[in-house]
Amino acid sequence: KAGVTQTPRYLIKTRGQQVTLSCSPISGHRSVSWYQQTPGQGLQFLFEYFSETQRNKGNFPGRFSGRQFSNSRSEMNVSTLELGDSALYLCASSIQGAGNTGELFFGEGSRLTVL
Amino acid sequence: AQSVTQLDSHVSVSEGTPVLLRCNYSSSYSPSLFWYVQHPNKGLQLLLKYTSAATLVKGINGFEAEFKKSETSFHLTKPSAHMSDAAEYFCVVSPGFSGGYNKLIFGAGTRLAVHP
Repeated sequence: KAGVTQTPRYLIKTRGQQVTLSCSPISGHRSVSWYQQTPGQGLQFLFEYFSETQRNKGNFPGRFSGRQFSNSRSEMNVSTLELGDSALYLCASSIQGAGNTGELFFGEGSRLTVL
Repeated sequence: AQSVTQLDSHVSVSEGTPVLLRCNYSSSYSPSLFWYVQHPNKGLQLLLKYTSAATLVKGINGFEAEFKKSETSFHLTKPSAHMSDAAEYFCVVSPGFSGGYNKLIFGAGTRLAVHP
C-alpha cells in the first residue's frame, strides 16, 4: 500500500511569490492534515481537511490556505511568500471512524526555501 | 489546554545501552499520547500510542513507553540502543474530540545520538 506522497519535495521561491504544495493520502484515508516544521517554532498544525471541508485550522495568517478534492488529494497554497515561510511542510493522512485517536501517517514533506 | 514538554533537547548514548527520552504532558482529561520519530530528511513515523488502555505501551523497534497519570509523564525507553535509532523523537498529544483528533500538539523534540 502506497504511503502519503508529497510533491514537490524541494522548491525555492522568492519573496512575494506564491507556492502550491500537493499531497496524496494513503488510499482510503479521507482526512488530510498539514503541518509546518521550522527550527525555531517546531511542528505546528496548519489545517485539516475531511471530505473536501476544512475541519480544523491552526493559528496561521490567511496567506496560508488549502483545499481537498473529491479523491481526498489535498493542496496547500501560500501567497505573498515571506522569508519566515521557509520550512518543511508535512502532510499527514488518517483513517476516520469510530475510535479515531489521532494516529497520523506522514509524508516525507516538501521543503520550501524562500529567498 | 493540552501541552507536552520534552525535558531533554539532546540525549547521547552508546550503542547497546538503554535509552530514556522524557516527556511530561498537561491535559484536563485522559489524553491520547504518541511518540513519533523523524530520521534525517524524512517524514514522521509513529512509534507507539497510548489511548487509555494498558499504561505500558509497546511500539516498533523495541521501544516502549509508560503512561503515569500521577506524574503526568509518558517517557520513552528502549533497553538497548542501536545505531539506527539516531533520530529526532517527538512526544505528541491529541486534543481529542473537542479540539480535533488530528490537531496534534508536538513537543519540541529530543535529538538522540548513538555512539559506537
